[in-house]
Amino acid sequence: DQQVKQNSPSLSVQEGRISILNCDYTNSMFDYFLWYKKYPAEGPTFLISISSIKDKNEDGRFTVFLNKSAKHLSLHIVPSQPGDSAVYFCAASGRHGGATNKLIFGTGTLLAVQP
Amino acid sequence: GAGVSQSPSNKVTEKGKDVELRCDPISGHTALYWYRQSLGQGLEFLIYFQGNSAPDKSGLPSDRFSAERTGGSVSTLTIQRTQQEDSAVYLCASSLWEGTGLYEQYFGPGTRLTVT
Repeated sequence: DQQVKQNSPSLSVQEGRISILNCDYTNSMFDYFLWYKKYPAEGPTFLISISSIKDKNEDGRFTVFLNKSAKHLSLHIVPSQPGDSAVYFCAASGRHGGATNKLIFGTGTLLAVQP
Repeated sequence: GAGVSQSPSNKVTEKGKDVELRCDPISGHTALYWYRQSLGQGLEFLIYFQGNSAPDKSGLPSDRFSAERTGGSVSTLTIQRTQQEDSAVYLCASSLWEGTGLYEQYFGPGTRLTVT
C-alpha cells in the first residue's frame, strides 16, 4: 500500500519556466512533509519542508503548497534551471503516538530542465 | 561542516556472505535512520535510532538484518547470509531530535550493495 504517491515518473520543462511536481498521500496522520532532490550516485538532498499547520512555504525559487483536504502537495520551482535536473522525492512523516519521524517516500519524479 | 558519511561506497559480495555497512552521522544529531532504495523504487525505511536505542525496527525485512549504534554516534547495519534481493543502495540519515520531532533528515551518499 503506497501511502505517498508521485504519479508522474518524469517531467520535462524549458529553462526559465515553472516546474510543478505533485505528490498525493493517503494517511491523514501525516503532519510533516518534505521534498528531497537526488542526483545519480548521491544521497538525497533536503530542499524544503512544510508542517501541516501551514499551506505554503517558500524558500527562494522553491515553494511547497499543501492542500490537506485533498491530501495533496506540490513543489513549484520558478524559474527552472538546467541544474535543477534531478529526481525529486516527496516524503511524509507523522507524530502519532510514539512516532519516530521516519519518512515515507514517494517513488520520485525525474525532472529534466531543457536549456 | 561535515555531513553524513557512509562506508564502503560500493560493496560486491557473494550470496550467503555477511556484510557490514557503516554510517557516521552529523555531530550532535541524536536521531539516526537507515533506508534502502532498490532499483526503480522509492526509499524504504528500515530502522530508527534515538541515541543508542532502536525504538523502531519495523522496516527491517527479515531477521537477517540487524543494526547497532554505539556512543550515540556511529551505526552499523549488518546483513547476514546475503541474498540477491538484498541488492540495493543503503542510505543513512541523521537529524536533530526534540519533543516535536519536526526536523529534516540529512542523508549520506549511500552504500551500493550488489549480491552476486
